Amino acid sequence: DAGVIQSPRHEVTEMGQEVTLRCKPISGHDYLFWYRQTMMRGLELLIYFNNNVPIDDSGMPEDRFSAKMPNASFSTLKIQPSEPRDSAVYFCASTTLPIVGYTFGSGTRLTVV
Amino acid sequence: GENVEQHPSTLSVQEGDSAVIKCTYSDSASNYFPWYKQELGKRPQLIIDIRSNVGEKKDQRIAVTLNKTAKHFSLHITETQPEDSAVYFCAAGTALIFGKGTTLSVSS
Repeated sequence: DAGVIQSPRHEVTEMGQEVTLRCKPISGHDYLFWYRQTMMRGLELLIYFNNNVPIDDSGMPEDRFSAKMPNASFSTLKIQPSEPRDSAVYFCASTTLPIVGYTFGSGTRLTVV
Repeated sequence: GENVEQHPSTLSVQEGDSAVIKCTYSDSASNYFPWYKQELGKRPQLIIDIRSNVGEKKDQRIAVTLNKTAKHFSLHITETQPEDSAVYFCAAGTALIFGKGTTLSVSS
């Protein structure tokens, strides 16, 4: 298995632009998580899905953030409009039950200028 | 919801010494406690985990202990090596909530 695939690896965008981050979980994993990592706040859970259904989005910082999972092999995290404080590394992770850890993707480093 | 506290935030040891990182959690319903290692610029990687029905687990130089009554768990690394230098994260919960991380530096 190729693992959790995220794209793009790096994204530089201007403030106010829309940003879309993509994730392909490991085949057979029915849980998908989006995390944001910054030096100040560490690894924050933004939202997670089970069987393509959002279960908890309480970590989504603002209405500017939205996430979808249209099928078992694809998820997106969208920021519209983006702001400089959104600059961070965004990780996607997947797992199934019984949990043996989460497998993380390589992350997307987002820079909003 | 779950809250995970981790300390120390930084830890410096000499090669061959032991390192201990401690975490506490708030949700008594949590039953899964993994530890991750993250090297600079890379993704977090699972190094060891423990479930609530086990008090201790060991894998070569790494061990984890869990005290469910006190709601705390610890990572123990023995005979540290320079390649152990990284950021270590504890986590807890069904949807994992992570501690803020411990930067471990092992000097030779």
